[in-house]
Amino acid sequence: GAVVSQHPSRVICKSGTSVKIECRSLDFQATTMFWYRQFPKQSLMLMATSNEGSKATYEQGVEKDKFLINHASLTLSTLTVTSAHPEDSSFYICSAQEVRDTYTDTQYFGPGTRLTVL
Amino acid sequence: AQSVTQPDIHITVSEGASLELRCNYSYGATPYLFWYVQSPGQGLQLLLKYFSGDTLVQGIKGFEAEFKRSQSSFNLRKPSVHWSDAAEYFCAVGATNTGNQFYFGTGTSLTVIP
Repeated sequence: GAVVSQHPSRVICKSGTSVKIECRSLDFQATTMFWYRQFPKQSLMLMATSNEGSKATYEQGVEKDKFLINHASLTLSTLTVTSAHPEDSSFYICSAQEVRDTYTDTQYFGPGTRLTVL
Repeated sequence: AQSVTQPDIHITVSEGASLELRCNYSYGATPYLFWYVQSPGQGLQLLLKYFSGDTLVQGIKGFEAEFKRSQSSFNLRKPSVHWSDAAEYFCAVGATNTGNQFYFGTGTSLTVIP
């Protein structure tokens, strides 16, 4: 159980275009989903926290107009990188928190999406 | 402020040898502690977690971790390492009073030599 998927796993796009990444909890409902960014050989940096049906909470320094997050249902959150530039190239990872695990904070992570902006 | 420190950036061990990865945290209340493993190009897989109770926690793949409040540590151990254990290991602290945010350590890269 507790499987999280991401789609696509890898995407290459031209500078100036927008890219949407999906994060799905496959076998559980997630009240909260998190989006992280990971640079090569570095730890995960939390970008934003999204709760189903409400606006995402962005971490300091993360541009909310550039990284659009939508948490439309208890099993789906999307991250849209708008007007992508080469510096946005990174590994984006989502995680989801089970409803029953809200107190215990367990997060289950997706496999990540490798974004390359040319 | 909450923080997690993994002092060892990189560790190399021989296959079959024992392993200990260090993790120290700074948190004002009782923390929720986690160890995750990340294989190259992959997401994170939960190895084990500590919320309360027995301070020695058993996880998957033969890993265990011990919570020591007095030392603010949550070190990960495995008695006999396998070549497939080579990966990046992350320690994390969960904080319910900040919206369930996780604070990750910088990770320890494990190399296993035959």
